[in-house]
Amino acid sequence: AQKVTQAQTEISVVEKEDVTLDCVYETRDTTYYLFWYKQPPSGELVFLIRRNSFDEQNEISGRYSWNFQKSTSSFNFTITASQVVDSAVYFCALSEAGGNNRLAFGKGNQVVVIP
Amino acid sequence: GAVVSQHPSWVICKSGTSVKIECRSLDFQATTMFWYRQFPKQSLMLMATSNEGSKATYEQGVEKDKFLINHASLTLSTLTVTSAHPEDSSFYICSARSSQVLGQPQHFGDGTRLSIL
Repeated sequence: AQKVTQAQTEISVVEKEDVTLDCVYETRDTTYYLFWYKQPPSGELVFLIRRNSFDEQNEISGRYSWNFQKSTSSFNFTITASQVVDSAVYFCALSEAGGNNRLAFGKGNQVVVIP
Repeated sequence: GAVVSQHPSWVICKSGTSVKIECRSLDFQATTMFWYRQFPKQSLMLMATSNEGSKATYEQGVEKDKFLINHASLTLSTLTVTSAHPEDSSFYICSARSSQVLGQPQHFGDGTRLSIL
């Protein structure tokens, strides 16, 4: 069974600080896909990134960066120089190749950026 | 691209009413759509996988007769909450894939806030 753990429930940071969100996953599949989604207060889910299990390259997109470590089954997300607009719930999710693209979500990280 | 529209955005109705929620893929064909439920301050829980032209696959613990899913076309799936009660109040959100290729991201609708009085 696939499982995603996001241990930090709520994180508050002052604007311009960096914040890192931890995501640890469990799966028996050798082929799987990891995602991060952002859910602002309005409720919609915004796709941020996808990583497959064979691609351990880290990625940077503007102020966002991701660190994928298969050895520790982690896919952490860092927001650099946080802004108030970054306030949202961030979900890490896992999809197994044999799972018909079903997504298993973590509990989410509520990020509050204080101006 | 890959826009998913969900309607209505919010519904308030009396207990015992049946409520239909629509999920449309606007600029792509979606052979598979997914329905989730999210309670306040909780994660998304998959309710069912909707496949065009066939019966939906429900997750364990989700009542098929309570949550009717119809996926009659490649761009539309509907979720009907039958005889809704206050405990059905929740945020319902659908998603769709724009590709059959494994691992492609799901694109989500904006969700429907359902409140049963």
